[in-house]
Amino acid sequence: KQEVTQIPAALSVPEGENLVLNCSFTDSAIYNLQWFRQDPGKGLTSLLLIQSSQREQTSGRLNASLDKSSGRSTLYIAASQPGDSATYLCALRRTFRAGSARQLTFGSGTQLTVLP
Amino acid sequence: DAGVIQSPRHEVTEMGQEVTLRCKPISGHNSLFWYRQTMMRGLELLIYFNNNVPIDDSGMPEDRFSAKMPNASFSTLKIQPSEPRDSAVYFCASSLVEHNYEQYFGPGTRLTVT
Repeated sequence: KQEVTQIPAALSVPEGENLVLNCSFTDSAIYNLQWFRQDPGKGLTSLLLIQSSQREQTSGRLNASLDKSSGRSTLYIAASQPGDSATYLCALRRTFRAGSARQLTFGSGTQLTVLP
Repeated sequence: DAGVIQSPRHEVTEMGQEVTLRCKPISGHNSLFWYRQTMMRGLELLIYFNNNVPIDDSGMPEDRFSAKMPNASFSTLKIQPSEPRDSAVYFCASSLVEHNYEQYFGPGTRLTVT
């Protein structure tokens, strides 16, 4: 059974810092990995999706990497801003098997606070 | 596209009442997911549909919960009878195979059962 772990559960940094959020998983047979952002009281917003064959994806100040052999993904946020404060969740989709390809397994998230 | 639409956004009901949550997926998406989020248990997948057919409902907690998808543009999640422990935020998400199954979430319905 796939287990997804995000450590730390909470992180507080001063504005302007570069930071890395971690996601580890136990089963390397993944199809892709998705990073989400969730603001308090809101739904999840998809940030980046990395296919199994890819090593990283970039969008603006965000860069997500994937290392299947070590069971890790990281989300790098450059020049953090107070508006980046939110909970960040990673979620994995397993490789194809009848009925399972579409399901995501979520980590518990890292709550990020960027202090002005 | 307006994204995934959920209604109502907030629901407060008394224990024992029937609750119906509604979801309109992104037009053209062929998979739809219902999740529940609580502080204690995080995000839990309840059920998902592919091409309007329920594929895996193993996450549905009890027989009090049921979900339907009568067509490609509408789904409901029903709780009957509701209990206080059902209080949570319920999310609907949709995806498309051609987009690598990337899931898009609705804003959620915050359910409070008193």
